[in-house]
Amino acid sequence: GAGVSQSPRYKVAKRGQDVALRCDPISGHVSLFWYQQALGQGPEFLTYFQNEAQLDKSGLPSDRFFAERPEGSVSTLKIQRTQQEDSAVYLCASRAGDTEAFFGQGTRLTVV
Amino acid sequence: DQQVKQNSPSLSVQEGRISILNCDYTNSMFDYFLWYKKYPAEGPTFLISISSIKDKNEDGRFTVFLNKSAKHLSLHIVPSQPGDSAVYFCAASARGGSYIPTFGRGTSLIVHP
Repeated sequence: GAGVSQSPRYKVAKRGQDVALRCDPISGHVSLFWYQQALGQGPEFLTYFQNEAQLDKSGLPSDRFFAERPEGSVSTLKIQRTQQEDSAVYLCASRAGDTEAFFGQGTRLTVV
Repeated sequence: DQQVKQNSPSLSVQEGRISILNCDYTNSMFDYFLWYKKYPAEGPTFLISISSIKDKNEDGRFTVFLNKSAKHLSLHIVPSQPGDSAVYFCAASARGGSYIPTFGRGTSLIVHP
């Protein structure tokens, strides 16, 4: 497809369960970002990749959060031992240069 | 501490009138600014951007103004249409920060027919 694709669109996890969220960026886009958006808030930065290199992970809230982009294309955000405060929409974006980033539709994670 | 602030959570405007959405930032290193529009259950969609070397950028009905001395930018929509009803996010980035966008909390715009 032409846009950023995220899967699944919705995920319900039991507290303590591990989850993996997938992002397929726009083909050829070097930069990839993950954001977390809580209800009524703006997107909060989690981590940034340039190709396969994770250049910034300063926004990851705890060591339960882990992201990878092993071949510089598809990325996975993994959350271990999910907790209720992890409930949010997780947004992925990709970018070709230094200008605008294009977002996917997001994955809504609900931890029960 | 929020580096990008959108102090108006909501704005209501009549169709055909001007909508003005405001954004303030605190980090003087920010040199590239963006506005995104978001409909429910969708991801943010890029709308318009401006570099710090400019003070105005226009694209159709949308104009962004940048006042660097005041660390303030605004998005003008003229004329407003009901389809413009959405949440608008202001974002700012810096060359030294790999141009990673920092977002405000958003302003919900409602345009009444």
